[in-house]
Amino acid sequence: DGGITQSPKYLFRKEGQNVTLSCEQNLNHDAMYWYRQDPGQGLRLIYYSQIVNDFQKGDIAEGYSVSREKKESFPLTVTSAQKNPTAFYLCASSIPSGYGYTFGSGTRLTVV
Amino acid sequence: RKEVEQDPGPFNVPEGATVAFNCTYSNSASQSFFWYRQDCRKEPKLLMSVYSSGNEDGRFTAQLNRASQYISLLIRDSKLSDSATYLCVVTHNAGNNRKLIWGLGTSLAVNP
Repeated sequence: DGGITQSPKYLFRKEGQNVTLSCEQNLNHDAMYWYRQDPGQGLRLIYYSQIVNDFQKGDIAEGYSVSREKKESFPLTVTSAQKNPTAFYLCASSIPSGYGYTFGSGTRLTVV
Repeated sequence: RKEVEQDPGPFNVPEGATVAFNCTYSNSASQSFFWYRQDCRKEPKLLMSVYSSGNEDGRFTAQLNRASQYISLLIRDSKLSDSATYLCVVTHNAGNNRKLIWGLGTSLAVNP
């Protein structure tokens, strides 16, 4: 069955370390997205990519980086510049119109 | 004012009750509308799209009022399994891209 796979499910990071969250989809979707969800703040867009080798900053891109070398993959790196990285990170993909928006099961990142 | 606003709740209702949620949006050029369901510590999942003529899926009915810029979700004969947070989503064009705007969600607890 088609879907989006995020890994790992839980991730612990020491302060000052970079970590990379994986997101893979086999839905043949062109567009992919990364969101962050904090309690009481809803979903906030970090980065998105409408096509391979192209991506755009979302509303809260500072301290994050992405790449889109393959249609199926859109990894997110949380750098040491991100001051409050502890959050629930969600990857999603869709067809360009926004329909068919599907989420992965998320990664919970905790800074220790 | 937020672009998409929802009453955060929580709504506490007994099993079998009918409950309705509203969502207002500020951008009159908004094009597509959706309701998503998010269970605790899980990813959001599409519940239903919302069409101008209104649409029904089993116990769920969605309505769109473009003149007043709000959408609604009606749940009839509530089940315990309906307990979740319901997210309103609105899309509009931003340059060459389609942008999704997420509400913060309305929390529903259905009690035995």
